Amino acid sequence: GAGVSQSPSNKVTEKGKDVELRCDPISGHTALYWYRQSLGQGLEFLIYFQGNSAPDKSGLPSDRFSAERTGGSVSSLTILRTQQEDSAVYLCASSSTSLGTTEAFFGQGTRLTVV
Amino acid sequence: AQSVSQHNHHVILSEAASLELGCNYSYGGTVNLFWYVQYPGQHLQLLLKYFSGDPLVKGIKGFEAEFIKSKFSFNLRKPSVQWSDTAEYFCAVNNFNKFYFGSGTKLNVKP
Repeated sequence: GAGVSQSPSNKVTEKGKDVELRCDPISGHTALYWYRQSLGQGLEFLIYFQGNSAPDKSGLPSDRFSAERTGGSVSSLTILRTQQEDSAVYLCASSSTSLGTTEAFFGQGTRLTVV
Repeated sequence: AQSVSQHNHHVILSEAASLELGCNYSYGGTVNLFWYVQYPGQHLQLLLKYFSGDPLVKGIKGFEAEFIKSKFSFNLRKPSVQWSDTAEYFCAVNNFNKFYFGSGTKLNVKP
């Protein structure tokens, strides 16, 4: 696609429910990143994919968080048993690494609100 | 620990004032450096980047940044800000294909 697409753009969920966030990166971009942006905070790294592999998942806050990527393209971030502290904007970015890393291109984000 | 530090969390300027936002990083070796901007209600966009060569890089909308290797710094500058520059600015470092971001600086330009 022309840009990084994330869905849904907004999600309100009840505490304890599971949620799945989706990211569709720019076509051909091999690297994909998930970040979390909380109010007043910077961008917190969650996980990095190179193709379908996740060489760095060190930023996932707990075992309630998981992510996968299939076909070297679309990625999903799943949060189980959501808590109020999970409320944040979840950002996805992609970049090309075929000729060395270029800049990261960001999606609009998914605003998650846990009530 | 590896980190990117932005020392100014909130900056308020009047139009036509000069801007300098500080960014320091703690990685050794070769790094790629970026400044991103997030206008209200919009997604993060690239302002400028440094990979190699001339350490003074020019970006969009009159912004520039200088890479000083000895100081591990990559400060963002603009000689004369406009109200439309009101946004949040993030410094970022790419090291081994992972992007590390600073905590951001909110710039508020008063008309």
